[in-house]
Amino acid sequence: GAGVSQSPRYKVAKRGQDVALRCDPISGHVSLFWYQQALGQGPEFLTYFQNEAQLDKSGLPSDRFFAERPEGSVSTLKIQRTQQEDSAVYLCASSLTGGDGNTIYFGEGSWLTVV
Amino acid sequence: GENVEQHPSTLSVQEGDSAVIKCTYSDSASNYFPWYKQELGKRPQLIIDIRSNVGEKKDQRIAVTLNKTAKHFSLHITETQPEDSAVYFCAANDYKLSFGAGTTVTVRA
Repeated sequence: GAGVSQSPRYKVAKRGQDVALRCDPISGHVSLFWYQQALGQGPEFLTYFQNEAQLDKSGLPSDRFFAERPEGSVSTLKIQRTQQEDSAVYLCASSLTGGDGNTIYFGEGSWLTVV
Repeated sequence: GENVEQHPSTLSVQEGDSAVIKCTYSDSASNYFPWYKQELGKRPQLIIDIRSNVGEKKDQRIAVTLNKTAKHFSLHITETQPEDSAVYFCAANDYKLSFGAGTTVTVRA
């Protein structure tokens, strides 16, 4: 596609509910990143995939957070038993290759509100 | 891991004046330094970037400087316009981006 596409754009979840956020990276992009952006703050790294391999998940805040990219293209970020502190914008980003110094392109984000 | 600090957190300038945002980073392995502009409710958009093998890069009204020895880099916007009002983030990259906390720039007409 023309850019990184994320869905849903907006999600309201009741506390304790599970949510799944989808990311379609730019076609052919090897690297895929998930970031969490709280209101008024910079994006915080969650996890990184190179093709289908999850090479870094050091930023996932708890074991309630799980990400996958089974075929090396579309990725899903799943949050189990959502808590109010999970309310944030979840940004997906992709870049062409796995090396550093490559331009990273962001999607519009999925806005999650936990009530 | 990488730690990026960004200053100031807010910046108000008169239209036509210049704006300067400064960032420092901690990891000497970082070699790519992009700047993103984010408008309310929108995605971060890359406006300029610099790699560690150059000290300065310019694109029309925007310029970035990098001092690898001191581990700091800066964004300069000249002849500011109202549409420059946004939140600006610096970042440092080894393979993933570490972001600064952001600078809210307001250009007064």
